[in-house]
Amino acid sequence: IQMTQSPSSLSASVGDRVTITCRASQNISNYLNWYQQKPGTAPQLLIYTTSSLQSGVPSRFSGSGSGTDFTLAISSLQPEDFATYFCQQTFSTPHNFGQGTKLEIK
Amino acid sequence: QVQLLQSGAEVKKPGSSVKVSCKASGGAFSGYAINWVRQAPGQGLEWMGGIIPIFGTTNYAQEFQGRVTVTTDESTSTAYMELSRLRSEDTAVYYCANSGYYGSGFDPWGQGTLVIVSS
Repeated sequence: IQMTQSPSSLSASVGDRVTITCRASQNISNYLNWYQQKPGTAPQLLIYTTSSLQSGVPSRFSGSGSGTDFTLAISSLQPEDFATYFCQQTFSTPHNFGQGTKLEIK
Repeated sequence: QVQLLQSGAEVKKPGSSVKVSCKASGGAFSGYAINWVRQAPGQGLEWMGGIIPIFGTTNYAQEFQGRVTVTTDESTSTAYMELSRLRSEDTAVYYCANSGYYGSGFDPWGQGTLVIVSS
């Protein structure tokens, strides 16, 4: 199953609302996860099974979708949100990731 | 909360093998599976394979079939990933990551182990 994220990069300002999309090459039900990664650190799970917020993750992050099309939204960007985001399917192995979206400060 | 602690950085020659360890602090593996993911410099995340410790079953990405072996030692709560026939393109940070249950996201992750393959 191939995972395609868009955009590959995104410039935004603090306070903006942004969305990142992820498309699977076949139906993955709701087995879609989102990760945030900052330089030099391991990825951190933000959202699992499409829309469940991982413990400790701020409520400005949300996820939606089903089947093949999914979205990560950040409602009001904070300085600490500028990072790279990856989607991943855990419907079947190999548990492929999207290519990543780098969110940069405008 | 369980943490995953990985072994230190390695420098290897092309054609050799590397074995990276991942120890679950606080006792036994608490999740469903341990996965291995790698990230080449400046690149994305690549799932390599995983193991379900309670069953000992493994699953590998086709790209790594025949070169990667994932094992666990339940007595020390440690997982291992061995990659053989190394080439320069295998230079990457290698992560272990826990799956809490079938289909779940990966959490927590180890801190990563840098493997450099260079002659």
